[in-house]
Amino acid sequence: EAQVTQNPRYLITVTGKKLTVTCSQNMNHEYMSWYRQDPGLGLRQIYYSMNVEVTDKGDVPEGYKVSRKEKRNFPLILESPSPNQTSLYFCASSPRDSLRANSPLHFGNGTRLTVT
Amino acid sequence: DAKTTQPNSMESNEEEPVHLPCNHSTISGTDYIHWYRQLPSQGPEYVIHGLTSNVNNRMASLAIAEDRKSSTLILHRATLRDAAVYYCILRDGNSGNTPLVFGKGTRLSVIA
Repeated sequence: EAQVTQNPRYLITVTGKKLTVTCSQNMNHEYMSWYRQDPGLGLRQIYYSMNVEVTDKGDVPEGYKVSRKEKRNFPLILESPSPNQTSLYFCASSPRDSLRANSPLHFGNGTRLTVT
Repeated sequence: DAKTTQPNSMESNEEEPVHLPCNHSTISGTDYIHWYRQLPSQGPEYVIHGLTSNVNNRMASLAIAEDRKSSTLILHRATLRDAAVYYCILRDGNSGNTPLVFGKGTRLSVIA
């Protein structure tokens, strides 16, 4: 089944403890992206990747890192999490840049992160 | 920056048509307009997209203004399962590497 898989679905951690949220897609998509969702603010893009070894900042990249060493995986890294990073996170993928090339985004089911 | 403006919320009776508007006055000439929706406790789900002409699929219709500065998502017969937040999304800028921008969305309530 074609899908975007995020892990874990739920995570509670403490301030400063490094964590990684994994994202994997099995559709051979070139484009991958991370979003966070907060009440009243909608979805905001954190980072995106147009292809392997190509990443770029979205609207809210501060406090996050990503890597794209292989096409299927796009992990989100929080080196030193803080409470303001408590949020619902979504990973998405697309065969190519979604809006230019007429390709819908496929989203994972989300990771709910709480930083205390 | 290419941004969208949508009403915060709308209501519809079940079985009636719903028209969800989106304004995007700074859209660039080659960018598509996509609509997504998000049901409770789920990730966003693709609904429809278009460039210049009106589009239809099994989920909805998309009406795009002639000047492309606005669009309307049309659900022909709303059901309770259509209750969700609907996002109008378009490209921020017209070069190759710029972030995608979601609007804040419209929360659609469907009344039985």
